This record gives sequence, C-alpha cells and structure tokens, in this order.
Amino acid sequence: DIQMTQSPSTLAASVGDRVTITCRASQSISIWLAWFQQKPGKAPKLLISKASNLEPGVPSRFSGSGSGTEFTLTISSLQPDDFATYYCQKYNNYSWTFGQGTKVEIK
Amino acid sequence: QLQLRESGSGLVKPSQTLSLTCAVSGGSISSGGYSWSWIRQPPGKGLEWIGYISQGGDTYYNPSLKSRVTISLDRSKNQFSLKVNSVTAADTAVYYCARVRYMVFDHWGQGTLVTVSS
Repeated sequence: DIQMTQSPSTLAASVGDRVTITCRASQSISIWLAWFQQKPGKAPKLLISKASNLEPGVPSRFSGSGSGTEFTLTISSLQPDDFATYYCQKYNNYSWTFGQGTKVEIK
Repeated sequence: QLQLRESGSGLVKPSQTLSLTCAVSGGSISSGGYSWSWIRQPPGKGLEWIGYISQGGDTYYNPSLKSRVTISLDRSKNQFSLKVNSVTAADTAVYYCARVRYMVFDHWGQGTLVTVSS
C-alpha cells in the first residue's frame, strides 16, 4: 500500500505569511494527488486536484505543485479564513489514501 | 445544487452491523458519469477511505476493512448505502459520503457520528 506523509503536523503562522505544506508518497503516484481543507465540525473541502488544478471558487492564493513522490500546497498570503487542517490524498488504481493532516494555527 | 445527506443509526452495539444511507439530491446517482464513496474520521483523528462504488455497481474497498464492508446503490431512491459488520469501538467515527468525479471526492455530505458502545 502507498503511504502518504505530510509535514509538518502542526504549523503556527500569522495573517499574511506564506505557508507551505509538504506531502510525500511512499512510491510514485504521478500527479494523482488532491488537497483538502477541513474546519472543525465540517466536511473536508476539495481545494486542488491533479496536484496543481485549482477547483472553481478556490482563492488563487492557494496553489499546488509536484509530481511523483513529492508535493506541496502553498498559501501565498495566509488569511483568517485559512486557519484549518489540510489533508493531501492520493488517488490511483481505485485506492485512496489520506495524509495524516497538517493543522495551521494562529501564531 | 447537489446535496448529499447521511443518515442511519447513531449508536451501534459491539459485534452488530452499522448501516448508513447517503441520500443524493440535485442530481442522479445513475447519470453524469459520477461514482460514490464513503470516508470516515474517528474523533480527533484523520480521514480514512472506506470504499467506492461506480455508477455501474462495481465496488472497491479499503483492504483493512474489506472483509466487513458492503456498499450498494439504490437507484429507485437515488441513494447509496454502507454496511459494516462486526463493529468494535474502533469503528466509532464521523462517517461521510462523497461524490467521486474523475476519481476525486468533489462533493461531501455533512457527516454523521456513529458511536459503537454497549
């Protein structure tokens, strides 16, 4: 099974900061990676698919990059609404695996 | 606008069967080329994919749960269902249903908490 590892697990940042979250796959998944945002008590929200495709309605301050085994989610200028937990997820071969999550907290 | 809503028993006794339904409104489960999936999240923990069902009824399950899980479609009611057999406390979680578009979970239900306890 392919394992997904996110780093860091927790990140403290201030409004306006540039934030980068890393996701590593235990073997190559090409570009079959999605990023989700989850707020307490809410369902996850899809932000990015195919490693770098921004979903309609998602602010352009979010961006994704990478391929193979290493991926990043970048928030160019952190806004108050962005404090949440972020998950990466691989999807290929009819198998889906999430990373353990990265909680973005207020510094 | 597409909406997914989970429903079912919120409290299940150990060794019994957990049963949930996801009602889909604003779209048909039998058209559009979409598939459907279940995901769960234990309290305070991360997300775990449970299983997937295609529009044609083909199923794929998480290997760690495969022996206990069944997902099915009910086209007449525009809904799909999840059954998990022989539950234990480790199955206590918020259960989400989701639409799958090109293998991506693009729309989610609000989730429903299932507690396994005697």
